[in-house]
Amino acid sequence: GAVVSQHPSWVICKSGTSVKIECRSLDFQATTMFWYRQFPKQSLMLMATSNEGSKATYEQGVEKDKFLINHASLTLSTLTVTSAHPEDSSFYICSARYSGGPYNEQFFGPGTRLTVL
Amino acid sequence: GNSVTQMEGPVTLSEEAFLTINCTYTATGYPSLFWYVQYPGEGLQLLLKATKADDKGSNKGFEATYRKETTSFHLEKGSVQVSDSAVYFCALSDPMGGYSTLTFGKGTMLLVSP
Repeated sequence: GAVVSQHPSWVICKSGTSVKIECRSLDFQATTMFWYRQFPKQSLMLMATSNEGSKATYEQGVEKDKFLINHASLTLSTLTVTSAHPEDSSFYICSARYSGGPYNEQFFGPGTRLTVL
Repeated sequence: GNSVTQMEGPVTLSEEAFLTINCTYTATGYPSLFWYVQYPGEGLQLLLKATKADDKGSNKGFEATYRKETTSFHLEKGSVQVSDSAVYFCALSDPMGGYSTLTFGKGTMLLVSP
């Protein structure tokens, strides 16, 4: 149980285009989802926290107009990188926490590798 | 603020060697502590956790004990295998933040050779 999927697993796009990444909880309802960014050989940096049905809370330094997050249902959150540029190339990982579960435990997706040319 | 400090890698070991990866933390309250493992090209998987002082988390031969007096949560395994090669992240969840977010260390790469 507690499986989180991401789609796509990797994407290559041209500079200036927008890319949408989906994060789904497959066997549980995710009241809260998190989006992280991971640079090579570095730790995960929390970008934002989203609760179903409400606006995401962004961490300091993360541009909310650049990284649009929508948590439209209890099983789906999306991250849209708008007008992507090469510096946005990174590994994006989502995680989810479920209602009624261990309040301090997150379940992670496999990640999405974004390359912007 | 909260922080997690891990030993820098890579840690290179031969199969069946003993493993220790050090982790210390700073937190405002009494956090929950975690070790996550990331295999190449994959997301993070929870390896083990401990929620209070002196708790020992264990899984797949790995162990870590929550030491409040030394604010540490070192990861150990008695005999590593090639398949254990991965990046290991120590993390904490802070009760002062409602346990709502995780703070990660920078990760330690483990390379095990046959």
